[in-house]
Amino acid sequence: QIQLVQSGGEMKRPGASVKVSCKASGYSFIDYGVTWVRQAPGQGLEWMGWISNYNGKTYYAQKLQGRVNMTTDKSTSTAYMELRRLRSDDTAVYFCAKRADDIWGAFDLWGQGTVVTVSS
Amino acid sequence: DIQMTQSPSSLSASVGDRVTISCRASQSIGNYLNWYQQKPGKAPRLLIFGTSSLEGGLPSRFSGSGAGTDFTLTINSLQPEDLAIYYCQQSYSTPFTFGPGTKVDLK
Repeated sequence: QIQLVQSGGEMKRPGASVKVSCKASGYSFIDYGVTWVRQAPGQGLEWMGWISNYNGKTYYAQKLQGRVNMTTDKSTSTAYMELRRLRSDDTAVYFCAKRADDIWGAFDLWGQGTVVTVSS
Repeated sequence: DIQMTQSPSSLSASVGDRVTISCRASQSIGNYLNWYQQKPGKAPRLLIFGTSSLEGGLPSRFSGSGAGTDFTLTINSLQPEDLAIYYCQQSYSTPFTFGPGTKVDLK
């Protein structure tokens, strides 16, 4: 069954870090990139960045540069997104998604989402 | 960065109606435009990629059109299960921005 399964919800204090995992199954993980998208409560979708499994390159949203790090572990078909120096406005549902390898590069398979709450 | 706008922000329609949602990019993105559907409490799902290609397994009442800066998602004969928020997204250049969404509910 082709799917992405994310790690469970997290509650963090401001200034802490969080690392969310996204385990792929049912397809060849190394052949596709992984993107991360977040959604604050009641808000729309915000693209955070993506990592290419082809060359390992990462592309981050400017506003998250310096705080976000995306990695993959090909041996376990798992992608990770770490966000540091958390703030209250980082409270959101975080989604991973597989990026299609055609010219359009749409996000054709999504994880179920991980709720990250940042509160003192 | 490429900014994406959508109109309307919300709409109410009846079962069987034809629904159109517009999406505009702040600069030309060719046909690098994708549409997603998100139901409450769920992850988004890809509907249309490359402006007009329907994702596999989805009903043909969904269609997309446009090019350059102006795009449209059409739902022919709205069904109760289509109630959701619809987002456009450009995959022309990073950051791969989303539109603000259009909420579709029943009249």
